[in-house]
Amino acid sequence: GESVGLHLPTLSVQEGDNSIINCAYSNSASDYFIWYKQESGKGPQFIIDIRSNMDKRQGQRVTVLLNKTVKHLSLQIAATQPGDSAVYFCAVRSGSARQLTFGSGTQLTVLP
Amino acid sequence: ETGVTQSPTHLIKTRGQQVTLRCSSQSGHNTVSWYQQALGQGPQFIFQYYREEENGRGNFPPRFSGLQFPNYSSELNVNALELDDSALYLCASSGGTGSSYEQYFGPGTRLTVT
Repeated sequence: GESVGLHLPTLSVQEGDNSIINCAYSNSASDYFIWYKQESGKGPQFIIDIRSNMDKRQGQRVTVLLNKTVKHLSLQIAATQPGDSAVYFCAVRSGSARQLTFGSGTQLTVLP
Repeated sequence: ETGVTQSPTHLIKTRGQQVTLRCSSQSGHNTVSWYQQALGQGPQFIFQYYREEENGRGNFPPRFSGLQFPNYSSELNVNALELDDSALYLCASSGGTGSSYEQYFGPGTRLTVT
């Protein structure tokens, strides 16, 4: 099966700085990777995804990097804002149902 | 906001009881996945339904069961509730005519078992 781990359970950054959240996965056959943001009392919200045939994808203020050699995934948030404070999960798709396996989450706190 | 809705939002049950949670998928999505999220943890896959058939299952006992209806809405049933079943239950829909990869999550049902 798949296992997904996050490097840091918590991360604090100053408003305006860049944030980097890292994730490691175990199954080299995994083909699709997603970052979700979860605010208190809400379900996970899709941020950005990347397929295994890519190594970088950019969105609005967010970039996902995929290193398949070391099975590592990262989310970069540029110019972090107070509204970015949330728990961030990486998820990896695998299995017969193409289900998502989630990491345990990183709590991002943006300091004023 | 996604178009995925769940009911109820909160529920308190006693150990040994049974519970049914409901999910309406986003319009055009034919696949519903259910996840259990314990406090401080990431969601864990329970099972998935595609066109009314169970399409895959995670490491959950048979007392967790589900249904999907012709309109693609879904139910999660849990029998013989245990204290450890206390969690946020999330459903996610996918499989629309756009990207079939993205799973859109509902707000969840918070289940407390006492």
